[in-house]
Amino acid sequence: DTEVTQTPKHLVMGMTNKKSLKCEQHMGHRAMYWYKQKAKKPPELMFVYSYEKLSINESVPSRFSPECPNSSLLNLHLHALQPEDSALYLCASSQETGELFFGEGSRLTVL
Amino acid sequence: AQRVTQPEKLLSVFKGAPVELKCNYSYSGSPELFWYVQYSRQRLQLLLRHISRESIKGFTADLNKGETSFHLKKPFAQEEDSAMYYCALGIYNFNKFYFGSGTKLNVKP
Repeated sequence: DTEVTQTPKHLVMGMTNKKSLKCEQHMGHRAMYWYKQKAKKPPELMFVYSYEKLSINESVPSRFSPECPNSSLLNLHLHALQPEDSALYLCASSQETGELFFGEGSRLTVL
Repeated sequence: AQRVTQPEKLLSVFKGAPVELKCNYSYSGSPELFWYVQYSRQRLQLLLRHISRESIKGFTADLNKGETSFHLKKPFAQEEDSAMYYCALGIYNFNKFYFGSGTKLNVKP
């Protein structure tokens, strides 16, 4: 299995909702990432987990809360988001010195 | 600070013409450079990386440390090359990958 799987593919939520994005990989990669991509913009790094520990938080607002329950799973918990948080959220994984493998993304719309 | 610059948002060429997508980087350490590609309705995927020095789908890229560039080249563009291309800088000590703003390549028949 050489894929990164993200669910859901689409999510619409209100500003008071709590939702989660999920990411799964079974390639044995020890680094996992969340990126945010706005339309016609490059992916922006949000969080990096290395060996299930948060190693990088790129000054992301606390309304985004990552979680890595095990080496194959990565979650992004969403709470009290703003409309400007609407974007494509990409999960990726890598060996520590290797290429990034991306999921197809979860398209989030905040109303 | 590290930065990846892709000066062209859009590059249009005719089929069979040479193509060069420019990428410049700014990083004080030893860089790892990549080209990622996103075809229509597909996920972002690696095209090539500088340390492998391979030719993938006819594309090559050479790291020029003097000019801090990693331009992507193909001598004869094909219509199926039409896609969004991102240059990326990898900083392994911190597991960070930074992307340039991307260049949309449009190969016309």
